[in-house]
Amino acid sequence: DTGVSQNPRHKITKRGQNVTFRCDPISEHNRLYWYRQTLGQGPEFLTYFQNEAQLEKSRLLSDRFSAERPKGSFSTLEIQRTEQGDSAMYLCASSLNDLGNEQFFGPGTRLTVL
Amino acid sequence: RKEVEQDPGPFNVPEGATVAFNCTYSNSASQSFFWYRQDCRKEPKLLMSVYSSGNEDGRFTAQLNRASQYISLLIRDSKLSDSATYLCVVNNLGSGAGSYQLTFGKGTKLSVIP
Repeated sequence: DTGVSQNPRHKITKRGQNVTFRCDPISEHNRLYWYRQTLGQGPEFLTYFQNEAQLEKSRLLSDRFSAERPKGSFSTLEIQRTEQGDSAMYLCASSLNDLGNEQFFGPGTRLTVL
Repeated sequence: RKEVEQDPGPFNVPEGATVAFNCTYSNSASQSFFWYRQDCRKEPKLLMSVYSSGNEDGRFTAQLNRASQYISLLIRDSKLSDSATYLCVVNNLGSGAGSYQLTFGKGTKLSVIP
């Protein structure tokens, strides 16, 4: 399978715990995006990487959130001191470098904070 | 005002019907436009890009009116397999260099009934 992959697919954690999600983009894609989707809403942009550089972060990305893409390939999204409001589907997408290029989404990681 | 607004739905239509979805966007600097399809508990997938000249892909026709900041999607001869949530998506130039984040509407749920 050469699509975007995400792990884990599901994560249940207790409030206050830290969680980390991984995204492996399509291999030739140098752009990587993280989005968050809650029930009944469309995905909301969180952050964007071009190669290893994190070039934009949404206001939604509080100080408890950090994302990395150390070698310009896979990316991790960490949430520290999780809150119930963090419960959502976290989607990763990747694309080629040009404007208008399709963003391909991974299956997402569904986070439930108890 | 939300950046991307769609008909709230849901739309329940019989097989073979024609259904139209409408969408408006608020950012006149928006660069690219898309319709994505999202099946229940799955990731969004690109259905089609939307061009100023209008474009058609089989039973699907998308139109863009930049002056009115309006996007539409028409589905003819609806099939049961068309049942999904349809997301209106706008690609804006973000504040980060080269960032082209997607802004999604809430989506309109379509159920095609036998």
